Amino acid sequence: DAGITQSPRHKVTETGTPVTLRCHQTENHRYMYWYRQDPGHGLRLIHYSYGVKDTDKGEVSDGYSVSRSKTEDFLLTLESATSSQTSVYFCATAYGQGNQPQHFGDGTRLSIL
Amino acid sequence: KQEVTQIPAALSVPEGENLVLNCSFTDSAIYNLQWFRQDPGKGLTSLLLIQSSQREQTSGRLNASLDKSSGRSTLYIAASQPGDSATYLCAVRYGGATNKLIFGTGTLLAVQP
Repeated sequence: DAGITQSPRHKVTETGTPVTLRCHQTENHRYMYWYRQDPGHGLRLIHYSYGVKDTDKGEVSDGYSVSRSKTEDFLLTLESATSSQTSVYFCATAYGQGNQPQHFGDGTRLSIL
Repeated sequence: KQEVTQIPAALSVPEGENLVLNCSFTDSAIYNLQWFRQDPGKGLTSLLLIQSSQREQTSGRLNASLDKSSGRSTLYIAASQPGDSATYLCAVRYGGATNKLIFGTGTLLAVQP
């Protein structure tokens, strides 16, 4: 949907290691978002971007950082992964603010042992 | 705190039945509301987007209604089919320039052939 590709699709790693997830979009959407989805919590916003090099925190941003050096790429980094960050991570994009729907990638399943 | 609730958490119906999924939100000052479908292991597919000034939106067998004053939205699915089996999520956008969404935890729908 909306040409969104997330990589990797699956990853298993150990506590304390750095992890970077990538979201790539081909639709030239201005807004990009990272969510995590956990049972009983639904989707929660981690960070979002409203333009190149313009980012801000969501409701569950602790332990995560993001970067957006190009319109098409939005990276999510776990500096030192913890078991509580085991989750499914979704990237979403939107053309603009206001009336525009969000479009989602297929997710990255991340397991931290 | 702005919260979104979906009831029931799971629903099983026989094929051909008309059904209603419910979404309620605590803060009625919404900007718009979006219904999504999520298939297992997949991302979210946007179904319908209702602006705060609208009462309903229709797409094929789907009809979504919005009652801001009571803090409720419903998704009506007519003549359900086994292919409609999925998790349905509603998400609310409040004011602001960032297009951030607050998600409910979803209703898991199973349509029995």
